[in-house]
Amino acid sequence: QVQLQESGPGLVKPSQTLSLTCSVSGASVSSGSHYWSWVRQPAGKGLEWIGRIYISGSTNYNPSLKSRVTISLDTSNNQFSLKMYSVTAADTAVYYCASNDYYAGWLDPWGQGTLVTVSS
Amino acid sequence: DIQMTQSPSSLSASVGDRVTITCRASQSINTYLNWYQQKQGKAPKLLIYAASTLQSGVPSRFSGGGSGTDFTLTISSLQPEDFAIYYCHQSYSTLMYTFGQGTKLEIK
Repeated sequence: QVQLQESGPGLVKPSQTLSLTCSVSGASVSSGSHYWSWVRQPAGKGLEWIGRIYISGSTNYNPSLKSRVTISLDTSNNQFSLKMYSVTAADTAVYYCASNDYYAGWLDPWGQGTLVTVSS
Repeated sequence: DIQMTQSPSSLSASVGDRVTITCRASQSINTYLNWYQQKQGKAPKLLIYAASTLQSGVPSRFSGGGSGTDFTLTISSLQPEDFAIYYCHQSYSTLMYTFGQGTKLEIK
């Protein structure tokens, strides 16, 4: 079955760049039937969609984050990545990657999530 | 942006109860509505997609309904493992997905 796994630093300093990678197994990121999304969740709060990417390279981003976010694909390693620039403490959250149905947009499955703390 | 509003925000119920959670969209989203269950410290799990289709492996006591702006998630007979937070999610706007604020289902 499809599995996703996030990886990356758990601690990032303010004003620096948050970089996370999502490794996909059981499916190809080159598949035309999926987008690949990132979602985050601050402690004790709800879910916030960050953005998604398709094999064509097409991306969609949350307008509130668009100026600071880049999502990219690495087809050779079957991964996709998130970069968030100029982070602040407000970006502290659990970050999830998820497979995103191309036609109707549901998110399934999700990675287990990784906590990123922004602190000096 | 399409705003998603869930009600109630929290709910206390007993094992065996029938419960319904409501999600309202700020504009019509057809049936591009999905429901997730999240347990403490875990990733969200897809329960229902396209408003009423049960995801494979999800117990049949879960059901979803609605279209347009008003949607429901119903659990017909609560089990101990169902106590969790439930989120709705609209995937109608491909430019910007949004989630409801969540409904916390607690044991009475």
